[in-house]
Amino acid sequence: ETGVTQTPRHLVMGMTNKKSLKCEQHLGHNAMYWYKQSAKKPLELMFVYSLEERVENNSVPSRFSPECPNSSHLFLHLHTLQPEDSALYLCASSQGARTSTDTQYFGPGTRLTVL
Amino acid sequence: DQQVKQNSPSLSVQEGRISILNCDYTNSMFDYFLWYKKYPAEGPTFLISISSIKDKNEDGRFTVFLNKSAKHLSLHIVPSQPGDSAVYFCAASGAGSYQLTFGKGTKLSVIP
Repeated sequence: ETGVTQTPRHLVMGMTNKKSLKCEQHLGHNAMYWYKQSAKKPLELMFVYSLEERVENNSVPSRFSPECPNSSHLFLHLHTLQPEDSALYLCASSQGARTSTDTQYFGPGTRLTVL
Repeated sequence: DQQVKQNSPSLSVQEGRISILNCDYTNSMFDYFLWYKKYPAEGPTFLISISSIKDKNEDGRFTVFLNKSAKHLSLHIVPSQPGDSAVYFCAASGAGSYQLTFGKGTKLSVIP
């Protein structure tokens, strides 16, 4: 595997389910990100981790819970989601966490549908 | 309130001609700007960037122009090729920031 991988690629869940999205980067990077892209909206940053510590949390509801066990893996744990949470969830990684010097590399995304 | 705006949802260009994609921003604290390209079922990939200390950056067929006074940037692709057909996102960030602020994207179709 190369680059940034995400599993699953598609997920359908009910509002009472608990599921997790997984992201893995094979680039030796130290920073990882979760983004959300809803229909007809721009990509929105949700969380940033640098050296496994959360450094940014953009007022994301607590029903989204990130976890970064090491610099190569990032999870997004989902519980009691709402239909409006249906979106494309993208993971990205970069060498450092400064946007002006560290290019972000994106995974293909997980298409989430909440019924 | 959108801080980065791409007002054209789509653009069609003939192969070999120039493609010009536009982006406007409102936050005067932004000092670094990027363009990403996205194919269907793939994540966005970095294309080109520009710092606010410059007004032009060129990389092969791709050139980004920055007009700070107008808070406007544009991406020029010359000559356009069918493989350039994709969604192009403009993004911006402030000094030392972790955060990229994206536009909604412009879908470019290059017609053979």
